[in-house]
Amino acid sequence: QSLLTQPPSASGTPGQRVTMSCSGTNSNIGTNSVNWYQQFSGTAPKLLIFNNDQRPSGIPDRFSGSKSGTSASLAISGLQSDDEAEYFCSAWDDSLIGAWVFGGGTKLTVL
Amino acid sequence: EVQLLESGGALVQGGGSLRLSCVGSGFMFSSYAINWVRQAPGKGLEWVSLISGFGSNTYYADSVKGRFTISRDNSKNTVYLQMNSLRADDTAVYYCAKDVVTAIFSYFDSWGQGTLVTVSS
Repeated sequence: QSLLTQPPSASGTPGQRVTMSCSGTNSNIGTNSVNWYQQFSGTAPKLLIFNNDQRPSGIPDRFSGSKSGTSASLAISGLQSDDEAEYFCSAWDDSLIGAWVFGGGTKLTVL
Repeated sequence: EVQLLESGGALVQGGGSLRLSCVGSGFMFSSYAINWVRQAPGKGLEWVSLISGFGSNTYYADSVKGRFTISRDNSKNTVYLQMNSLRADDTAVYYCAKDVVTAIFSYFDSWGQGTLVTVSS
């Protein structure tokens, strides 16, 4: 069972803006920054957003992240067919003896 | 270019052991913590273990504590994951991931391609 909660699926049409949520607790998202990873089928995850809202070089500004309290969100604007992938949120959890936790992932379908 | 290359995955019987390796290149290996993250078939990501740059600090998920041991040999730019008492639910692709740590935040900026571990019951 994932300690961060994500909706299992999301969808949108090309050009649309979609958002996906990630819900945690005070011991993880409430205290620490959130990272997002993008994973295409059969490949390794790739860093998409770090420190809540920062994009690594090479990630287009169509991708944006935000955090408020114990929840975070990933938004994708100008949706493209190439964005069809699974998206995972992650944060460090302070309640255990230190551990990274992930959400269960949101599978994005571009209709 | 930063690269991480895992190896050692195999088919093993339940109760058996396996050692995974993760070789890093393109960065100052000893300056970075390395994590193992696994993904069971059709499932999400599960963090497994973390070792600090010089190996002085290690962390484990509850699901593997007491069975898995993480270690590193910085002279070989390699992190190991010794897996004992393997169970069917350890079946997964195992990724190693480089951990960027600052005073305020941290994240996995590079991932290997993964190595498949299959445990038969």
